[in-house]
Amino acid sequence: GAGVSQSPSNKVTEKGKDVELRCDPISGHTALYWYRQSLGQGLEFLIYFQGNSAPDKSGLPSDRFSAERTGGSVSTLTIQRTQQEDSAVYLCASSLLTSGTVEQFFGPGTRLTVL
Amino acid sequence: LAKTTQPISMDSYEGQEVNITCSHNNIATNDYITWYQQFPSQGPRFIIQGYKTKVTNEVASLFIPADRKSSTLSLPRVSLSDTAVYYCLVGWKGTGRRALTFGSGTRLQVQP
Repeated sequence: GAGVSQSPSNKVTEKGKDVELRCDPISGHTALYWYRQSLGQGLEFLIYFQGNSAPDKSGLPSDRFSAERTGGSVSTLTIQRTQQEDSAVYLCASSLLTSGTVEQFFGPGTRLTVL
Repeated sequence: LAKTTQPISMDSYEGQEVNITCSHNNIATNDYITWYQQFPSQGPRFIIQGYKTKVTNEVASLFIPADRKSSTLSLPRVSLSDTAVYYCLVGWKGTGRRALTFGSGTRLQVQP
């Protein structure tokens, strides 16, 4: 079946503009994660959705960042008034939380460049 | 969440066995140890997960001592295509609100 997809694959924007990044998780996966990865760095956790529970927003770096997950499926990460330090690859992952291995399946990422 | 420490980088040659050790001194009783692999310009990919002793799959082996304060990912006979960043994660694998934390990873460079 299809894996996790993200769009756009690349986004170039000007400082101060708002951007929306989209994630389509694997069908049936109840958990969805957003991460940020700066060049040459590890993954920085941003936000985690699990079923109908309130999301874990503890990783969002500022109130300019927000995310929604509609109908337990598609998620949108919104960055308002983008800054140059927001430039990074934004990765989305989904997983099926059962009693077995909790494996996160990652999408290809969206490379955001803020000029 | 348990903090992990792993080497920043390692070098190896084709055909050698590579062992990457991760320290996680404050691992909790319910925590599992998971390793991911990331190639350039791709998202991480799950390699292996374990709780104690030894786990082996078609890609790697994971060795976990009795105190579980460390773990070792073993890659047999590496090839150039194993050049990647390897992440060690410690966290609870059950349902709930906790998310696993990725550190900086170990950058493995395999030479011909």
